[in-house]
Amino acid sequence: DQQVKQNSPSLSVQEGRISILNCDYTNSMFDYFLWYKKYPAEGPTFLISISSIKDKNEDGRFTVFLNKSAKHLSLHIVPSQPGDSAVYFCAASRMDSNYQLIWGAGTKLIIKP
Amino acid sequence: KAGVTQTPRYLIKTRGQQVTLSCSPISGHRSVSWYQQTPGQGLQFLFEYFSETQRNKGNFPGRFSGRQFSNSRSEMNVSTLELGDSALYLCASSTSVGGPHNEQFFGPGTRLTVL
Repeated sequence: DQQVKQNSPSLSVQEGRISILNCDYTNSMFDYFLWYKKYPAEGPTFLISISSIKDKNEDGRFTVFLNKSAKHLSLHIVPSQPGDSAVYFCAASRMDSNYQLIWGAGTKLIIKP
Repeated sequence: KAGVTQTPRYLIKTRGQQVTLSCSPISGHRSVSWYQQTPGQGLQFLFEYFSETQRNKGNFPGRFSGRQFSNSRSEMNVSTLELGDSALYLCASSTSVGGPHNEQFFGPGTRLTVL
């Protein structure tokens, strides 16, 4: 039972354009969401997070949007740069589970020059 | 500050064998979590240790075990290896447990191949 789903295994975007990565979840009890980025041969690194009490969080070129009614969040990268090419993981956690992270399968983002 | 280190980076074993993977967290970090990553799957949580005590455990069989030492270094052990255990095993460290803002720092992983 996948509680966090990233339905697009890969996404290709032109450099300079907007990249939108999507994530759906099934458990309405999740109260914190995170995005991690992973380069080949490296471990994931934290990118940005959002609490369930918010619907938007912005950090430079990265913005995460949360739609609780749709149980959907998205990561926007504007403008996309070649260094953004990586696998992006969405993760969610709940206070009553000690904030143990539940991860999506990841989306491979390819930025074309 | 040195990052999270994992040894070995690559490992090839045969079915039925056992394996031990090691993780050294960032200095000062007392929490270590272990994850399994297989193609098409997200990171599957194995267990989390804090101050030598297992705090959380995922849904893996008892063949998967771990421990943490007083210096916060951690090992995980898989006994009676199966083909399906072939995966990237990631270790992450953090300063504490149980908080939403508790950022995890990952090591590069150990790639285990079971033949």
